Amino acid sequence: AQSVTQPDIHITVSEGASLELRCNYSYGATPYLFWYVQSPGQGLQLLLKYFSGDTLVQGIKGFEAEFKRSQSSFNLRKPSVHWSDAAEYFCAVMGTGGFKTIFGAGTRLFVKA
Amino acid sequence: IAGITQAPTSQILAAGRRMTLRCTQDMRHNAMYWYRQDLGLGLRLIHYSNTAGTTGKGEVPDGYSVSRANTDDFPLTLASAVPSQTSVYFCASSEAGGFTDTQYFGPGTRLTVL
Repeated sequence: AQSVTQPDIHITVSEGASLELRCNYSYGATPYLFWYVQSPGQGLQLLLKYFSGDTLVQGIKGFEAEFKRSQSSFNLRKPSVHWSDAAEYFCAVMGTGGFKTIFGAGTRLFVKA
Repeated sequence: IAGITQAPTSQILAAGRRMTLRCTQDMRHNAMYWYRQDLGLGLRLIHYSNTAGTTGKGEVPDGYSVSRANTDDFPLTLASAVPSQTSVYFCASSEAGGFTDTQYFGPGTRLTVL
């Protein structure tokens, strides 16, 4: 069965510092992977997605993620965090049939001045 | 363009009562979804619909039902609410439901069952 693990429940980063959020997945075939962001009181917004090709994927708001098949990972990165990046981030994998997306439990990002 | 709207924004409900959460999209998307979000568990799919007239079960369908009479609306019904259904419910839609589709989420409904 497909599953997604986000090992960090919350992370605190100083404004201007770099960020890496971890995501590990379990899936038997080629995974379709996503990162979403949820601001307080809002729905989820897609940051980026990976289906095939280049393993380094660029997204919105300056985020990128790298797919590493050997490590079953899809970590999200940003070189310089802004205070407005404080939110909850969800990694997800799309399951069989194309309609069922499995989400991780989320990582809450705090940004300190 | 509103995207996806959900109603109500929040609701407190007595156990045993029937409740319908409403979801409407104006993007003419074929696929729609209902998720529940619980602390520490992320989002879990309740039901989905890949086109008007068809529905399917997700990861946690028990206690919930859906209908898809037309493209725009995808209501979620709790026939007899229980406290374990206290959660934040998100409706989402995507153009076709395929692997390459982006899902667009509504603002959510916060439901408390007492």
